Amino acid sequence: GAVVSQHPSRVICKSGTSVKIECRSLDFQATTMFWYRQFPKKSLMLMATSNEGSKATYEQGVEKDKFLINHASLTLSTLTVTSAHPEDSSFYICSASGRESDEQYFGPGTRLTVT
Amino acid sequence: AQSVAQPEDQVNVAEGNPLTVKCTYSVSGNPYLFWYVQYPNRGLQFLLKYITGDNLVKGSYGFEAEFNKSQTSFHLKKPSALVSDSALYFCAVRPFGNQFYFGTGTSLTVIP
Repeated sequence: GAVVSQHPSRVICKSGTSVKIECRSLDFQATTMFWYRQFPKKSLMLMATSNEGSKATYEQGVEKDKFLINHASLTLSTLTVTSAHPEDSSFYICSASGRESDEQYFGPGTRLTVT
Repeated sequence: AQSVAQPEDQVNVAEGNPLTVKCTYSVSGNPYLFWYVQYPNRGLQFLLKYITGDNLVKGSYGFEAEFNKSQTSFHLKKPSALVSDSALYFCAVRPFGNQFYFGTGTSLTVIP
């Protein structure tokens, strides 16, 4: 089956620094990748959708300058949280879909803690 | 507006008993319907989906779900619960394209 990985699985950073999270499709070409944010005991909130080679489409209320998304290749998308603050602490999950199927495959998530 | 409701935040069931996790939705058209399971600090794992056809869908780990169009429901069921089924369960709909709408999740606890 299709596998999506995320790196790192956990990251702790200081307030004001930036942190990058990688999302990779390991065995298929991901034409579209999605980034979600999950608060404790809450549902997933779609942050943005990115298509390979084009700018990401952000959901309403998500700051594009705060959460930079790059989808430079068919197997890699990155989410950079810039000038992180404690309120950015959350569980970030990516998902990917490819050409052969519009099924979405979810990564294992990244736990971000901003101190 | 598209929405998915999981009316129960928490469901407790004794091991060996049948379990049901409820989901209702309000979306336009004929959406695809999904159930995912999430274990602590992990991503979502696909359980099953309904696209068309038989209203009873069978999925992974012995789970099944029943689609009811008139009630716009897609309840998750399992005949005999295991302690290892304890996790967070999400219902999701995909009305068109790649956009998913998730419910708020139901925490299932199976009591030994």
